[in-house]
Amino acid sequence: GAVVSQHPSRVICKSGTSVKIECRSLDFQATTMFWYRQFPKQSLMLMATSNEGSKATYEQGVEKDKFLINHASLTLSTLTVTSAHPEDSSFYICSAPLGGGETQYFGPGTRLLVL
Amino acid sequence: GQNIDQPTEMTATEGAIVQINCTYQTSGFNGLFWYQQHAGEAPTFLSYNVLDGLEEKGRFSSFLSRSKGYSYLLLKELQMKDSASYLCAVMDSNYQLIWGAGTKLIIKP
Repeated sequence: GAVVSQHPSRVICKSGTSVKIECRSLDFQATTMFWYRQFPKQSLMLMATSNEGSKATYEQGVEKDKFLINHASLTLSTLTVTSAHPEDSSFYICSAPLGGGETQYFGPGTRLLVL
Repeated sequence: GQNIDQPTEMTATEGAIVQINCTYQTSGFNGLFWYQQHAGEAPTFLSYNVLDGLEEKGRFSSFLSRSKGYSYLLLKELQMKDSASYLCAVMDSNYQLIWGAGTKLIIKP
């Protein structure tokens, strides 16, 4: 079946460094991918919509210069957390819609810990 | 504004049946999803409803009433492994997912 992968699954970094998270659709092409952030015991929060061949669309309150998104191909979107701080520690999840968007497939998530 | 409501927590007994409700108010509607999420893991897809009625998939069923802005997830023959959070999400007119906060389901033996 359709699978979305994320890499890395976990990352620990020092404050001030940048971290890149990859999201890949393995069995299908995705012109759109979504990036979410989840804090403990809270629902997923949509951060941005990644669009292949054009700029990402960011949700209100999400800093586009801090969370850089690049949709390099029809199967790959990357999220780069620049100059990470401890408050950026979270669980980052991507998803990609299959076909007409009826089903969203989620990546397994990337747990980021900024020290 | 857009809003998804579902109970914060529910408790049920192993082997029993539980119904998790979800009500929504969104700008447009392109389907309602239910996801299961175990602690520390990404959500996994359970069901998708776009037309009114009941969709059954094994032990899990999902119901939708668009006129009432209401859905429920029905879990039968509960197993301990069903202990998880259940997320209701609606796809709005822009094909973006509006998420509920999730219902934590606790299964007791």
